[in-house]
Amino acid sequence: AQSVTQLDSQVPVFEEAPVELRCNYSSSVSVYLFWYVQYPNQGLQLLLKYLSGSTLVKGINGFEAEFNKSQTSFHLRKPSVHISDTAEYFCAVSVPYSGGGADGLTFGKGTHLIIQP
Amino acid sequence: DTGVSQNPRHKITKRGQNVTFRCDPISEHNRLYWYRQTLGQGPEFLTYFQNEAQLEKSRLLSDRFSAERPKGSFSTLEIQRTEQGDSAMYLCASRMEGSSGNTIYFGEGSWLTVV
Repeated sequence: AQSVTQLDSQVPVFEEAPVELRCNYSSSVSVYLFWYVQYPNQGLQLLLKYLSGSTLVKGINGFEAEFNKSQTSFHLRKPSVHISDTAEYFCAVSVPYSGGGADGLTFGKGTHLIIQP
Repeated sequence: DTGVSQNPRHKITKRGQNVTFRCDPISEHNRLYWYRQTLGQGPEFLTYFQNEAQLEKSRLLSDRFSAERPKGSFSTLEIQRTEQGDSAMYLCASRMEGSSGNTIYFGEGSWLTVV
């Protein structure tokens, strides 16, 4: 089984400052990695994903993430945040083999990004 | 591509009543998933379908929960004899099997409040 740990439940950042949201995972097999964003009272929107290849992945809204296999991490970064980035961010994993519940995503508990003016 | 559609978006029900949520996936997506999300938590996988076949249902929270996808298109999630602990957002998602990277697309969710 897989698990995801998001180390920070809440991250306050000043507007235009850089931010890093941390994600660590545990799995006995290779995984795909995802970051989703959830704005208040809405569903989840995919920010970016890592499947294979380059460990630095770029996504929408200026976000990027780096896969580090040795540290089993997939931290999300943005060089300069805006007020509109205030939201809940979820890291998730899935396994390439599709079968049973493993086909779905396993999520972390989320990190609330708070942008301060 | 109109996205994953869920309704109703909000439902308030009295304890003990039955509720049903509907999900319309992205057209031609053959896989459909249901998740539950409680406050302050990430989404929790419940069940999924490949076309009309329900391939995993052991994670449904109790026998009061059931899901169907009779024609392989839309799906319904029913909760019988609701309890206050069922209050949560129920998310539906879909993808096309064989698509690159298992990318799953989510709907806006259906909020359930049991009073």
